[in-house]
Order: sequence, then structure tokens, then C-alpha cells
Amino acid sequence: QSVLTQPPSVSAAPGQKVTISCSGSSSNIGNNYVSWYQQLPGTAPKLLIYENNKRPSGIPDRFSGSKSGTSATLGITGLQTGDEADYYCGTWDSSLSAYWVFGGGTKLTVL
Amino acid sequence: QVQLQQWGAGLLKPSETLSLTCAVYGGSFSGYYWSWIRQPPGKGLEWIGEINHSGSTNYNPSLKSRVTISVDTSKNQFSLKLSSVTAADTAVYYCAREVITMVRGRRVYYMDVWGKGTTVTVSS
Repeated sequence: QSVLTQPPSVSAAPGQKVTISCSGSSSNIGNNYVSWYQQLPGTAPKLLIYENNKRPSGIPDRFSGSKSGTSATLGITGLQTGDEADYYCGTWDSSLSAYWVFGGGTKLTVL
Repeated sequence: QVQLQQWGAGLLKPSETLSLTCAVYGGSFSGYYWSWIRQPPGKGLEWIGEINHSGSTNYNPSLKSRVTISVDTSKNQFSLKLSSVTAADTAVYYCAREVITMVRGRRVYYMDVWGKGTTVTVSS
């Protein structure tokens, strides 16, 4: 059971747009910045979004992030078959036992 | 360009101690935290713990009693030890660089560089 809640899977056709939600609480998303990670099959996770909505160098602007209250959203436009991957949200949890938390991951299928 | 190279034993018996090391090449070692994350087969990411160059650590409460993360600044390396392993500890283990900065008075945390992962299997 992950601290952050993501849908197990989403799907859309090439060229379409998809959003992936990440729900948490006041001790994590509500008071800390969110990052997103893309994990292509058989590879290590890769930073996609940090500080809620910033993209590292080399990440196309088809990827976007937002946060509202205790939820965050990853958006992907102009879907490509190469976007098929698992996507994870993550943030720091500032509860008594402060630690990093991840969502359970969302499998994106590009139909 | 920063690269993380990790290594360690890939096959353990129950009750043994898992030991992994991650070396940092091509970038600063101080000024960051260095994390270990694991991923059981077919499952999601689980953060294990972190350390900085001064040796300050934080651990996942669910693993804290069995985890020790240490640092060797002379070699730009950090290591993970997980004691009394069971089959539930079978996973791919990743090391990662963690950026911690301040934005508008609030801390920003994210992991921007990851190792390739080490598969650890616990089996009798």
C-alpha cells in the first residue's frame, strides 16, 4: 500500500493527451514539492518533472506537471509509442518519521 | 556528466546481510544527499534511505531496524547494508543522487541521477 495513490493504468491513442493523478495528504504533497519519474521497461527511473512543474534539460514540453492541494497531476500531450512506460510520483513526507514516499506507479499504454 | 555505478552480491540466503556500494563519477559528492531505492519484481518503488557527505542519514521507518547506509568521501562512494534478509527483500536496488534545495522558503526534494540497478535475489 503506497502512501501516494496513483491509478494503476491509463491508456490513450498516439497523438492524444493523457493525465496521471497522484493523491496524497497534508504531510507530503500538501506541504512539499512533487517530482515525477518515467521508467521505461527494464530500465532505471528517469526524472521527468521536479518542483511540481519544472522539466530537466532534455525533457520535451509535451510533459507537464501541476499540483493543487494534496494532489498532483502529470500531463503528457502528443502521445508517442515511446512514451509507454511506468510513471511514478514522489515527494518528501514531513510527518514525525520524515521520509521519501512514492506513488504505486501508473502503467501508460499507447494504443 | 554525473554517473552512478553500483555493485554488490546478487544472490543471498535468508538471514544474510545484503551489501551494495554506489560510486559517484564526474560530479560533486558534497552538496547532495545520496539515496537507495528498491523495486520488488512487478511492483513499485520503495525508498530505503539516504546519506549526505557528512554522514547524516535518514531511513524508511519500515526498514530502519535493518538498514545501515554509510559513506566514504575519499572514494566518492556510499554503501547500503540490509541485515536479516528474507525473500521479501528480493528486488532491484537502485542508488540515486538526491537534490535538496530551498524554493520560497520550502525545501525541494528530487532524484535527478540514478544508477542502473542491481538485482538482488534472496533464496535458500
